[in-house]
Amino acid sequence: DVKVTQSSRYLVKRTGEKVFLECVQDMDHENMFWYRQDPGLGLRLIYFSYDVKMKEKGDIPEGYSVSREKKERFSLILESASTNQTSMYLCASSPRGRAGELFFGEGSRLTVL
Amino acid sequence: GESVGLHLPTLSVQEGDNSIINCAYSNSASDYFIWYKQESGKGPQFIIDIRSNMDKRQGQRVTVLLNKTVKHLSLQIAATQPGDSAVYFCAEPPGESGGYQKVTFGTGTKLQVIP
Repeated sequence: DVKVTQSSRYLVKRTGEKVFLECVQDMDHENMFWYRQDPGLGLRLIYFSYDVKMKEKGDIPEGYSVSREKKERFSLILESASTNQTSMYLCASSPRGRAGELFFGEGSRLTVL
Repeated sequence: GESVGLHLPTLSVQEGDNSIINCAYSNSASDYFIWYKQESGKGPQFIIDIRSNMDKRQGQRVTVLLNKTVKHLSLQIAATQPGDSAVYFCAEPPGESGGYQKVTFGTGTKLQVIP
C-alpha cells in the first residue's frame, strides 16, 4: 500500500523553539510538497521540491525552510516557532509530469504556545 | 491573481440524494482540474480529474462537469452515502505559463450527509 508518512501527528512546541516536521514517501515520486491548512484559508503551499536538493518557495515560505537530501524524504523546518504557525501541516508527493496528482500524508497538527 | 473558489462552504444532503458541489476558477488558460476529498483527520485524497477538452467525466458514483464558458466546474455525487461526508476541494494544476509544479486549491466545501 503506497503512502506518504508524516512522522508526528500531533506536536506542541513553545515560541522560539526549532521544529522539524518529517515526511517520507515510498512511491519514488520526484515532487514533494509542504502545505499548511487553516480554517477558512484552505490549503496554502509553503515549499515544494521537484528533485533531490532542489527546493522552490511556495506562496507562504516566510518563517519556514526545507531540506531534501534524499528523494523519499522532505523535511519542513521552523527555525523559531511562533504562535501564528499553529496549524495543520500536510505533506504531499506527486510523480514527475503529473504535478496535480498529489498523494497526501495524514497531516501533522502543530500547536505553538 | 489567479484563484479557485467554491460557491458554498457547507452542503447538507439527505442520505440517498444526489450532491452537487460547485467550483469557480478564474484562469481561462487552465486546462486541467482535479477534485480531492478530505475526510476528518486525514489528508486529501484524489477523486477524479478532468481536462479542458472534455465537458464531462464519470467515475464510480461521481461525475465532474466542466463549463469553460463560465469557468465553472462541479462535482456530482450520486446516491450520497454517510461515507461521503468530507470536505471537497477543487484544484487547479498549473498550465504551461503557471508556476512550476504548483497546484492551487479552492477553500473547500464541507458535505454533511444526513442519515
